[in-house]
Amino acid sequence: EAGVAQSPRYKIIEKRQSVAFWCNPISGHATLYWYQQILGQGPKLLIQFQNNGVVDDSQLPKDRFSAERLKGVDSTLKIQPAKLEDSAVYLCASSLEDVRLGQPQHFGDGTRLSIL
Amino acid sequence: EDQVTQSPEALRLQEGESSSLNCSYTVSGLRGLFWYRQDPGKGPEFLFTLYSAGEEKEKERLKATLTKKESFLHITAPKPEDSATYLCAVPPTPYSSASKIIFGSGTRLSIRP
Repeated sequence: EAGVAQSPRYKIIEKRQSVAFWCNPISGHATLYWYQQILGQGPKLLIQFQNNGVVDDSQLPKDRFSAERLKGVDSTLKIQPAKLEDSAVYLCASSLEDVRLGQPQHFGDGTRLSIL
Repeated sequence: EDQVTQSPEALRLQEGESSSLNCSYTVSGLRGLFWYRQDPGKGPEFLFTLYSAGEEKEKERLKATLTKKESFLHITAPKPEDSATYLCAVPPTPYSSASKIIFGSGTRLSIRP
């Protein structure tokens, strides 16, 4: 089965610019997650979708980050404007059902974002 | 407050030298504990799910075990290709204070040939 696809793999922008990341989950997975991972730390959840509805976005900096999941499949995460502290790897993951039901997540390889 | 703590932060072993990584948690009403492997520049790769104390799962040189307070990832006779960061994660439960999955900060494992 095809895994979680993410693009781009790398992105370098200047602060105050905008950037968007794309994710295509595993086919049939209803739940989609966006994580931020800073070097040396575990992933931190930004937003969780169940189909195309938001389940949890409590850790998403909504003044600059936005995400959508149209038609319950692909998702995009946008940052506008970017700050230096946004430099990180942005990981997308999907699972058959909500992880709270004990379903493991499957991750893409992420987008490494560098802010100059 | 629910927490997931992994130790040690880093571990260097000689090829063939067996050891264990620890993941301790304080989540009530555990509904699963996940182990992942993460290689540099890659996303975490799912290894195991453990659901109840006493459960064990194996994959090649890896064996994961679970008690009521912690999980161990035992590595037997490791090879250099086992070098990676190993992450554990615990999803929230109806009894926990956390509303979202909690990841540990990982153990960086390095196996010298």
